[in-house]
Amino acid sequence: DAKTTQPNSMESNEEEPVHLPCNHSTISGTDYIHWYRQLPSQGPEYVIHGLTSNVNNRMASLAIAEDRKSSTLILHRATLRDAAVYYCILRDPPHSGTYKYIFGTGTRLKVLA
Amino acid sequence: DAGVIQSPRHEVTEMGQEVTLRCKPISGHDYLFWYRQTMMRGLELLIYFNNNVPIDDSGMPEDRFSAKMPNASFSTLKIQPSEPRDSAVYFCASSAGRNTEAFFGQGTRLTVV
Repeated sequence: DAKTTQPNSMESNEEEPVHLPCNHSTISGTDYIHWYRQLPSQGPEYVIHGLTSNVNNRMASLAIAEDRKSSTLILHRATLRDAAVYYCILRDPPHSGTYKYIFGTGTRLKVLA
Repeated sequence: DAGVIQSPRHEVTEMGQEVTLRCKPISGHDYLFWYRQTMMRGLELLIYFNNNVPIDDSGMPEDRFSAKMPNASFSTLKIQPSEPRDSAVYFCASSAGRNTEAFFGQGTRLTVV
């Protein structure tokens, strides 16, 4: 399974944008990039995913480098409720024989009031 | 839908006892995953099912662990006999097909004393 590398922790001020980086230099051409987050005492929840193009949804934006060796999750205006551990995950493509989410250590985001 | 439902939320048991964790996936979802989370090892995928059939159990730590999915709306993870090192939060997740996000339950916090 391809690996991802994320900073252990980051801090942001409330109402400020947050850019959470993820390196995945061994990504294959068909791996999807998924982001999940885990709020305190909760199970992980889906944030966003993409393959090659940048993606936007109501929670966040995902910027994918042209060579796909890195990506950035963007929270446009951090709130205190965004304090969580954010996981960047590479997933096998839909047509593959496996379907696994392998979680790394993630980035713990602290949001300062 | 109420989401993925796990029971019990908390379980404290003595070493050597049998423990059964339960999961009800979201109706209509055909993939079900069992994860374990500890401070030392993070989130580990134990096993996943597709259409009630175990597909990959390579993450199951040893023979003391077993998982079943007798029907589309119920799965169990059993530990027999339990050991203190099994203490962790166990998450169940489900998804509707390969190219959709996984939804996680609230988890079962297991403490083996």
